[in-house]
Amino acid sequence: AQTVTQSQPEMSVQEAETVTLSCTYDTSESDYYLFWYKQPPSRQMILVIRQEAYKQQNATENRFSVNFQKAAKSFSLKISDSQLGDAAMYFCAYIPLKNRDDKIIFGKGTRLHILP
Amino acid sequence: EAQVTQNPRYLITVTGKKLTVTCSQNMNHEYMSWYRQDPGLGLRQIYYSMNVEVTDKGDVPEGYKVSRKEKRNFPLILESPSPNQTSLYFCASSHGTSGTEQFFGPGTRLTVL
Repeated sequence: AQTVTQSQPEMSVQEAETVTLSCTYDTSESDYYLFWYKQPPSRQMILVIRQEAYKQQNATENRFSVNFQKAAKSFSLKISDSQLGDAAMYFCAYIPLKNRDDKIIFGKGTRLHILP
Repeated sequence: EAQVTQNPRYLITVTGKKLTVTCSQNMNHEYMSWYRQDPGLGLRQIYYSMNVEVTDKGDVPEGYKVSRKEKRNFPLILESPSPNQTSLYFCASSHGTSGTEQFFGPGTRLTVL
């Protein structure tokens, strides 16, 4: 069965520092997409970054970047120069490219605290 | 403005009283989905729909019904709510599922007494 695991229920980081949130997944598929979503206190789900499994280059969006290790089935999110507005719950998600059953799998989330 | 809307945003009800949470999107998305979010469990998919008149069970469909009579609407129906359905519910939509971004509604906080 396909699963997504976020092993850190909570993390804290000092403002302006760098933090890495981990995500591992289990799949037998070779082609898939991975996502990081952010859920701030407003509860709105916001897409942070997306990675296609067939691309070797790690995705980057401003201060957010991923470390995608396909062989290890690891998809960590690095936040550089952390800001107070980064405080949120972060969810990792997986979608197979040939989505036979159309299900999207989310991890249980990591709550990130930013310390001023 | 492209968006997914849900109503109501907050609802307190009693066990057994049928309720419907509406979801509507204005982006002409084929795929729509309902999730529930519970502490420590993340988001779990309840039902999804690939297009009009096509719906499928997600991971936690028990106690829920959905319908997709129009492309833009995907209501979630609780025929006989129970306290274990107290949760935060999200509707989402996308152009298909393969690699496309899910657009989420603002969430509905449901409490069943």
